[in-house]
Amino acid sequence: SQQGEEDPQALSIQEGENATMNCSYKTSINNLQWYRQNSGRGLVHLILIRSNEREKHSGRLRVTLDTSKKSSSLLITASRAADTASYFCATDTNAGNMLTFGGGTRLMVKP
Amino acid sequence: DAGVIQSPRHEVTEMGQEVTLRCKPISGHDYLFWYRQTMMRGLELLIYFNNNVPIDDSGMPEDRFSAKMPNASFSTLKIQPSEPRDSAVYFCASSPGALAGLNTQYFGPGTRLTVL
Repeated sequence: SQQGEEDPQALSIQEGENATMNCSYKTSINNLQWYRQNSGRGLVHLILIRSNEREKHSGRLRVTLDTSKKSSSLLITASRAADTASYFCATDTNAGNMLTFGGGTRLMVKP
Repeated sequence: DAGVIQSPRHEVTEMGQEVTLRCKPISGHDYLFWYRQTMMRGLELLIYFNNNVPIDDSGMPEDRFSAKMPNASFSTLKIQPSEPRDSAVYFCASSPGALAGLNTQYFGPGTRLTVL
């Protein structure tokens, strides 16, 4: 089974609304990262949060991490149609330099 | 830097043919990863290299798949013989490495492989 599991699998919202995606994982981590994938493109790194951090911001992105619950959330505020993409969480378990990716959340932002 | 470069971007071939996918990582990155993405199975790690040496190939599905990294600026993923179930998007990614304080991965645009 996957280390990271995103929830929900798909999310549809109106432009201007906030979008929240969740990620749960199973084993201890060094850091957790979020990536975005536009249709037909490769994944692009958005933000990294270390295991000793609880919250991190980058522009309209806010990431939280709760290591006691082994979960993270990605909040996109004031969403735009251009935010339409799939979003993946990835965990670094210190097993070499590997990242383990979840199944992704497909976000659709309607104009 | 141009980022991770993959070629070809699209490949259509017939079952039984040999397929070679190519990747040029970002200069200075010590790690290179090959992934496969399908709707059914999501993103799967096939193999990764550190300083041109294969570290973990446990994700390589079968002996029909092989990967090489002859130098720091080039890697290939070969499928021989190809089968329709190999149809997928194959991504190459590179990373500076954890020792550099960063294990963020930088993905190429992918190669969309269709095996008829």
